[in-house]
Amino acid sequence: DGGITQSPKYLFRKEGQNVTLSCEQNLNHDAMYWYRQDPGQGLRLIYYSQIVNDFQKGDIAEGYSVSREKKESFPLTVTSAQKNPTAFYLCASSIERGTPSPAKNIQYFGAGTRLSVL
Amino acid sequence: RKEVEQDPGPFNVPEGATVAFNCTYSNSASQSFFWYRQDCRKEPKLLMSVYSSGNEDGRFTAQLNRASQYISLLIRDSKLSDSATYLCVVNYAGGTSYGKLTFGQGTILTVHP
Repeated sequence: DGGITQSPKYLFRKEGQNVTLSCEQNLNHDAMYWYRQDPGQGLRLIYYSQIVNDFQKGDIAEGYSVSREKKESFPLTVTSAQKNPTAFYLCASSIERGTPSPAKNIQYFGAGTRLSVL
Repeated sequence: RKEVEQDPGPFNVPEGATVAFNCTYSNSASQSFFWYRQDCRKEPKLLMSVYSSGNEDGRFTAQLNRASQYISLLIRDSKLSDSATYLCVVNYAGGTSYGKLTFGQGTILTVHP
């Protein structure tokens, strides 16, 4: 079955520690995204990548880093510089370039990772 | 002003009721519009795209008014399983914003027996 897999489902971070959230997709999608969701709030974009080896900051990139070495994978590292990391992290992907709107803009989400601070 | 604004609710309705959600967006150059559904502690899932002519999918009807920068979702004959948060989502594809979506904070719907 095609889809987006995030792991782990739950993650705990100690003070001063970097942690990495995994996101893998087998949908052959070009673009991938990381969002953060806090209770009662909408999704906020952290980073996105349209193609391999290229990515752009979203609205709240400070304290986070990403890489896109493979089309299928877009890991997110929450660094110690992110002082309030407790949130629900969602990874998404969207269909290949060249597809007409609105289909190309539809994003499909993984099941998310809940990050808490110990 | 938020880019996408929704009434957070919550909306509490009985089974069988008709309920409508509204959403406004600030960027007049927005190009694609969607409603997503998010169940408690789960990921958002696409409910339907919204087209200028309006579109219907079973009990769900979506409308877009570009002049007023307004989107709506109507749910008829509400079911218990419709209880969820409904997210209004807008895309602006200008410049390098390929595929970048802006999400509203969501409207909570609870359908009770």
